[in-house]
Amino acid sequence: KAGVTQTPRYLIKTRGQQVTLSCSPISGHRSVSWYQQTPGQGLQFLFEYFSETQRNKGNFPGRFSGRQFSNSRSEMNVSTLELGDSALYLCASSSGILAGAQETQYFGPGTRLLVL
Amino acid sequence: AQSVTQPDIHITVSEGASLELRCNYSYGATPYLFWYVQSPGQGLQLLLKYFSGDTLVQGIKGFEAEFKRSQSSFNLRKPSVHWSDAAEYFCAPFTGGGNKLTFGTGTQLKVEL
Repeated sequence: KAGVTQTPRYLIKTRGQQVTLSCSPISGHRSVSWYQQTPGQGLQFLFEYFSETQRNKGNFPGRFSGRQFSNSRSEMNVSTLELGDSALYLCASSSGILAGAQETQYFGPGTRLLVL
Repeated sequence: AQSVTQPDIHITVSEGASLELRCNYSYGATPYLFWYVQSPGQGLQLLLKYFSGDTLVQGIKGFEAEFKRSQSSFNLRKPSVHWSDAAEYFCAPFTGGGNKLTFGTGTQLKVEL
Protein backbone atom coordinates (compact mmCIF):
# COMPACT_ATOMS: atom_id res chain seq x y z
CA LYS A 1 0.00 0.00 0.00
CA ALA A 2 1.45 3.38 -0.95
CA GLY A 3 2.25 5.76 1.88
CA VAL A 4 1.28 9.35 2.39
CA THR A 5 2.52 11.53 -0.41
CA GLN A 6 3.05 15.26 -0.34
CA THR A 7 3.67 17.59 -3.23
CA PRO A 8 5.70 19.51 -3.89
CA ARG A 9 8.62 18.42 -1.72
CA TYR A 10 10.35 21.77 -1.88
CA LEU A 11 9.04 25.23 -2.55
CA ILE A 12 10.49 28.72 -2.60
CA LYS A 13 8.19 31.72 -2.41
CA THR A 14 8.52 35.41 -1.64
CA ARG A 15 6.78 37.41 1.04
CA GLY A 16 3.22 38.33 0.20
CA GLN A 17 2.67 35.42 -2.14
CA GLN A 18 0.35 32.54 -1.43
CA VAL A 19 1.07 28.84 -1.59
CA THR A 20 -0.91 25.62 -1.85
CA LEU A 21 0.43 22.32 -0.59
CA SER A 22 -1.08 18.95 -1.38
CA CYS A 23 -1.36 15.75 0.59
CA SER A 24 -2.61 12.38 -0.64
CA PRO A 25 -3.42 10.04 2.24
CA ILE A 26 -3.03 6.31 2.32
CA SER A 27 -5.75 4.65 0.29
CA GLY A 28 -8.86 4.20 2.41
CA HIS A 29 -7.86 6.78 5.00
CA ARG A 30 -10.37 9.54 5.59
CA SER A 31 -8.60 11.70 8.15
CA VAL A 32 -5.81 14.08 7.20
CA SER A 33 -3.97 16.27 9.68
CA TRP A 34 -1.46 19.02 8.98
CA TYR A 35 1.50 20.06 11.12
CA GLN A 36 4.07 22.81 10.86
CA GLN A 37 7.64 22.10 11.96
CA THR A 38 10.12 24.90 12.60
CA PRO A 39 13.38 24.98 14.57
CA GLY A 40 11.99 27.59 16.94
CA GLN A 41 8.46 26.35 17.57
CA GLY A 42 8.87 22.65 16.91
CA LEU A 43 5.96 20.60 15.65
CA GLN A 44 2.63 22.34 15.85
CA PHE A 45 -0.79 21.12 14.85
CA LEU A 46 -2.51 23.15 12.15
CA PHE A 47 -5.80 21.40 11.47
CA GLU A 48 -7.45 18.09 10.77
CA TYR A 49 -9.97 17.14 8.12
CA PHE A 50 -12.25 14.16 8.18
CA SER A 51 -14.74 13.38 5.44
CA GLU A 52 -14.30 16.83 3.89
CA THR A 53 -15.01 18.64 7.17
CA GLN A 54 -12.55 20.40 9.42
CA ARG A 55 -12.72 18.51 12.69
CA ASN A 56 -10.04 20.23 14.69
CA LYS A 57 -7.98 23.38 14.44
CA GLY A 58 -4.78 24.61 16.02
CA ASN A 59 -3.79 28.14 16.98
CA PHE A 60 -2.75 29.57 13.66
CA PRO A 61 -3.91 32.77 11.98
CA GLY A 62 -6.61 32.75 9.34
CA ARG A 63 -3.95 32.98 6.62
CA PHE A 64 -3.63 29.23 7.05
CA SER A 65 -6.52 27.31 5.60
CA GLY A 66 -7.22 23.89 4.26
CA ARG A 67 -9.73 21.70 2.58
CA GLN A 68 -10.36 18.09 1.84
CA PHE A 69 -11.81 16.58 -1.28
CA SER A 70 -14.18 13.68 -1.67
CA ASN A 71 -11.26 11.35 -2.44
CA SER A 72 -9.72 12.38 0.92
CA ARG A 73 -6.86 14.28 -0.67
CA SER A 74 -6.20 17.47 1.21
CA GLU A 75 -4.71 20.83 0.43
CA MET A 76 -3.51 23.55 2.70
CA ASN A 77 -3.16 27.13 1.65
CA VAL A 78 -1.13 29.92 3.17
CA SER A 79 -1.93 33.40 1.97
CA THR A 80 0.18 36.53 2.30
CA LEU A 81 3.31 34.60 3.15
CA GLU A 82 5.61 35.86 5.88
CA LEU A 83 9.25 34.98 6.51
CA GLY A 84 8.19 33.09 9.61
CA ASP A 85 6.11 30.71 7.53
CA SER A 86 9.30 29.03 6.35
CA ALA A 87 8.94 25.53 7.68
CA LEU A 88 8.50 21.86 6.98
CA TYR A 89 4.82 21.13 6.55
CA LEU A 90 3.85 17.60 7.37
CA CYS A 91 0.60 15.85 6.77
CA ALA A 92 -0.56 12.68 8.42
CA SER A 93 -3.38 10.34 7.58
CA SER A 94 -5.37 7.82 9.53
CA SER A 95 -8.38 5.70 8.77
CA GLY A 96 -10.84 7.75 10.79
CA ILE A 97 -12.68 4.60 11.83
CA LEU A 98 -11.66 4.68 15.48
CA ALA A 99 -11.96 7.64 17.75
CA GLY A 100 -9.02 9.92 18.23
CA ALA A 101 -5.66 8.66 19.28
CA GLN A 102 -6.45 4.98 19.08
CA GLU A 103 -5.60 5.25 15.44
CA THR A 104 -2.05 5.38 14.21
CA GLN A 105 -1.24 8.44 12.18
CA TYR A 106 1.03 7.90 9.19
CA PHE A 107 3.13 10.86 8.18
CA GLY A 108 4.27 11.96 4.79
CA PRO A 109 7.82 13.21 4.07
CA GLY A 110 6.73 16.82 4.20
CA THR A 111 6.93 19.90 2.03
CA ARG A 112 9.78 22.24 2.85
CA LEU A 113 8.71 25.82 2.25
CA LEU A 114 11.20 28.65 2.12
CA VAL A 115 9.88 32.20 2.14
CA LEU A 116 12.30 34.88 0.95
CA ALA B 1 -1.07 24.28 31.96
CA GLN B 2 -0.87 21.16 29.84
CA SER B 3 2.62 20.51 28.56
CA VAL B 4 5.13 17.91 27.49
CA THR B 5 8.83 18.19 28.21
CA GLN B 6 11.79 16.45 26.69
CA PRO B 7 14.63 17.69 28.89
CA ASP B 8 17.45 16.51 26.66
CA ILE B 9 17.89 18.41 23.42
CA HIS B 10 20.90 16.40 22.30
CA ILE B 11 22.16 13.00 23.38
CA THR B 12 25.24 11.18 22.14
CA VAL B 13 25.76 7.48 22.75
CA SER B 14 28.19 4.90 21.45
CA GLU B 15 26.92 2.18 19.20
CA GLY B 16 25.98 -0.83 21.30
CA ALA B 17 25.34 1.24 24.41
CA SER B 18 21.95 1.50 26.05
CA LEU B 19 19.70 4.48 25.54
CA GLU B 20 17.06 6.27 27.56
CA LEU B 21 15.24 9.34 26.28
CA ARG B 22 13.16 11.23 28.80
CA CYS B 23 9.64 12.53 28.42
CA ASN B 24 7.57 14.22 31.12
CA TYR B 25 4.03 15.42 30.72
CA SER B 26 1.77 17.64 32.72
CA TYR B 27 -1.89 16.88 32.19
CA GLY B 28 -4.84 16.51 34.49
CA ALA B 29 -5.64 13.03 33.30
CA THR B 30 -3.41 10.36 31.86
CA PRO B 31 -3.10 11.12 28.19
CA TYR B 32 -2.49 8.66 25.45
CA LEU B 33 1.25 8.73 24.84
CA PHE B 34 3.29 8.23 21.71
CA TRP B 35 6.90 8.22 20.64
CA TYR B 36 7.79 9.16 17.08
CA VAL B 37 11.12 9.17 15.27
CA GLN B 38 12.17 11.48 12.45
CA SER B 39 15.17 10.60 10.33
CA PRO B 40 16.85 13.36 8.32
CA GLY B 41 14.70 14.44 5.42
CA GLN B 42 11.93 12.08 6.43
CA GLY B 43 8.52 12.35 7.96
CA LEU B 44 7.63 10.97 11.36
CA GLN B 45 7.37 7.29 12.09
CA LEU B 46 5.49 5.88 15.04
CA LEU B 47 7.73 3.87 17.38
CA LEU B 48 5.19 2.91 20.02
CA LYS B 49 2.11 4.06 21.87
CA TYR B 50 0.52 3.71 25.29
CA PHE B 51 -3.20 3.82 25.91
CA SER B 52 -3.78 1.85 29.07
CA GLY B 53 -2.95 -1.44 30.76
CA ASP B 54 0.58 -2.78 30.87
CA THR B 55 2.88 0.15 31.60
CA LEU B 56 5.78 -1.32 29.63
CA VAL B 57 5.16 -0.94 25.93
CA GLN B 58 7.11 -2.60 23.17
CA GLY B 59 7.60 -0.88 19.85
CA ILE B 60 9.37 -1.27 16.58
CA LYS B 61 13.13 -1.36 16.02
CA GLY B 62 13.73 -2.80 19.50
CA PHE B 63 12.45 0.24 21.39
CA GLU B 64 10.33 0.13 24.52
CA ALA B 65 8.85 2.74 26.82
CA GLU B 66 7.60 2.65 30.37
CA PHE B 67 4.72 4.73 31.63
CA LYS B 68 5.14 5.88 35.22
CA ARG B 69 2.08 7.68 36.50
CA SER B 70 3.72 8.74 39.77
CA GLN B 71 6.47 10.51 37.86
CA SER B 72 4.35 11.66 34.92
CA SER B 73 6.95 10.15 32.66
CA PHE B 74 7.03 8.03 29.54
CA ASN B 75 10.71 7.37 28.87
CA LEU B 76 11.92 5.62 25.74
CA ARG B 77 14.59 2.95 26.03
CA LYS B 78 16.67 0.69 23.88
CA PRO B 79 19.17 -1.81 25.27
CA SER B 80 21.66 -1.57 22.42
CA VAL B 81 21.76 1.34 20.02
CA HIS B 82 22.59 0.92 16.33
CA TRP B 83 24.14 3.62 14.17
CA SER B 84 20.91 3.73 12.15
CA ASP B 85 19.05 4.94 15.25
CA ALA B 86 20.58 8.38 14.84
CA ALA B 87 17.55 10.63 14.39
CA GLU B 88 15.30 13.00 16.25
CA TYR B 89 12.81 11.53 18.71
CA PHE B 90 9.55 13.12 19.73
CA CYS B 91 7.28 12.35 22.62
CA ALA B 92 3.67 13.20 21.87
CA PRO B 93 0.72 13.07 24.24
CA PHE B 94 -2.76 13.01 22.85
CA THR B 95 -5.31 14.74 25.00
CA GLY B 96 -8.43 14.63 22.92
CA GLY B 97 -10.04 16.35 20.02
CA GLY B 98 -9.92 14.55 16.72
CA ASN B 99 -6.43 13.46 15.80
CA LYS B 100 -4.50 16.31 17.34
CA LEU B 101 -1.09 15.45 18.72
CA THR B 102 1.01 17.75 20.89
CA PHE B 103 4.69 17.15 20.34
CA GLY B 104 7.60 17.66 22.68
CA THR B 105 10.57 19.69 21.51
CA GLY B 106 12.41 16.57 20.47
CA THR B 107 15.70 14.91 21.38
CA GLN B 108 18.40 14.67 18.74
CA LEU B 109 20.26 11.40 19.04
CA LYS B 110 23.78 11.04 17.75
CA VAL B 111 25.41 7.62 17.65
CA GLU B 112 29.17 7.35 17.75
CA LEU B 113 30.75 4.40 16.02
